[in-house]
Amino acid sequence: GEDVEQSLFLSVREGDSSVINCTYTDSSSTYLYWYKQEPGAGLQLLTYIFSNMDMKQDQRLTVLLNKKDKHLSLRIADTQTGDSAIYFCAEKRNDYKLSFGAGTTVTVRA
Amino acid sequence: DGGITQSPKYLFRKEGQNVTLSCEQNLNHDAMYWYRQDPGQGLRLIYYSQIVNDFQKGDIAEGYSVSREKKESFPLTVTSAQKNPTAFYLCASSPQGGQKNIQYFGAGTRLSVL
Repeated sequence: GEDVEQSLFLSVREGDSSVINCTYTDSSSTYLYWYKQEPGAGLQLLTYIFSNMDMKQDQRLTVLLNKKDKHLSLRIADTQTGDSAIYFCAEKRNDYKLSFGAGTTVTVRA
Repeated sequence: DGGITQSPKYLFRKEGQNVTLSCEQNLNHDAMYWYRQDPGQGLRLIYYSQIVNDFQKGDIAEGYSVSREKKESFPLTVTSAQKNPTAFYLCASSPQGGQKNIQYFGAGTRLSVL
């Protein structure tokens, strides 16, 4: 099965907050990442968090990490139509390998 | 502009044909990667290269081959042995392996079978 799990779809109203959740299995993971993929494009790194942190904030993005439950979340404040995309959670497996979830498709409705 | 360039954007393969996907980076990154993306699935690692003239198999290397003759270039060949090649292929690079392992991605090549 997947090492990293995410729900597949999220629909949110424009202006509301979006919360995308992810669970991972490797308790020794040191870095966790959020990537964004727009239609037909490659992946863009949004943010990452080191495992000794509980939270990281970057403008409209807030990442929360619960190491005990191996749970990672990405909150997008004031969601805009340009935030419609697929969001991938990933964990570092070793110095050269990342393990990706299946991606959460976020749809922003007016 | 610095970045990772993948070409072509769309590629069609006939039965029994080998095709090669190009990936070039001008970021001076040591490590490069090839991933395959299928609908509803995460990215799966095909091959990666830590340094010129060296590469390792990823999780789904069967039916694929790579070379790393130059630091900037990491072409992927999809051989006729790959029976289900239709997918979106993504190339990535990182400054080097190591602590953060932050990978930067190209725009992808969509491969279809005729």
